[in-house]
Amino acid sequence: GAVVSQHPSWVICKSGTSVKIECRSLDFQATTMFWYRQFPKQSLMLMATSNEGSKATYEQGVEKDKFLINHASLTLSTLTVTSAHPEDSSFYICSARGQGGLGYTFGSGTRLTVV
Amino acid sequence: DAKTTQPPSMDCAEGRAANLPCNHSTISGNEYVYWYRQIHSQGPQYIIHGLKNNETNEMASLIITEDRKSSTLILPHATLRDTAVYYCIVRPVSGGSNYKLTFGKGTLLTVNP
Repeated sequence: GAVVSQHPSWVICKSGTSVKIECRSLDFQATTMFWYRQFPKQSLMLMATSNEGSKATYEQGVEKDKFLINHASLTLSTLTVTSAHPEDSSFYICSARGQGGLGYTFGSGTRLTVV
Repeated sequence: DAKTTQPPSMDCAEGRAANLPCNHSTISGNEYVYWYRQIHSQGPQYIIHGLKNNETNEMASLIITEDRKSSTLILPHATLRDTAVYYCIVRPVSGGSNYKLTFGKGTLLTVNP
């Protein structure tokens, strides 16, 4: 079945630094990638949707200059948290869809802790 | 707006069937019902989906009422590894590749020994 590899699985960074999270579709072409954030004991909240080769569409309240999304190829999308602060500490999850596919395949998530 | 309502938590004994309900009273005729689950600190895992008919796969069965306003996910023989948050989600059949899944609060299923 479809597999999405997400790295790193966890990362600790200092306040003010930037962190990049990668998601790769291993056996299909991900025409659309979704990025979610999940705080403890809460549900997944969509941050942005990106299509290969296009600018991402951000959900209301998500700062596009803080959460940079790149989807330059059909198998790779990245989320960069710039100038991270402790309140950005969260579980970040990507999800990918192939063209014409019904399914949404999720990555295993990245636990970000900003100290 | 998640468009679905689920109980916040349920318990089930190991080896017994787990029946997880979902209310989607505003569902339209061209919307699927999807079920995902999320084991602690992992990404969501697809379980099953359906439109009108009941569906079964190696993981679970999905029973959709005739009026399609509610559904039940059945795990026939729950194991401890089935302890997770289960999400019921509706989405249009013709939503296109950009259609985003909106997650509600889900049901925390705890399988007890």
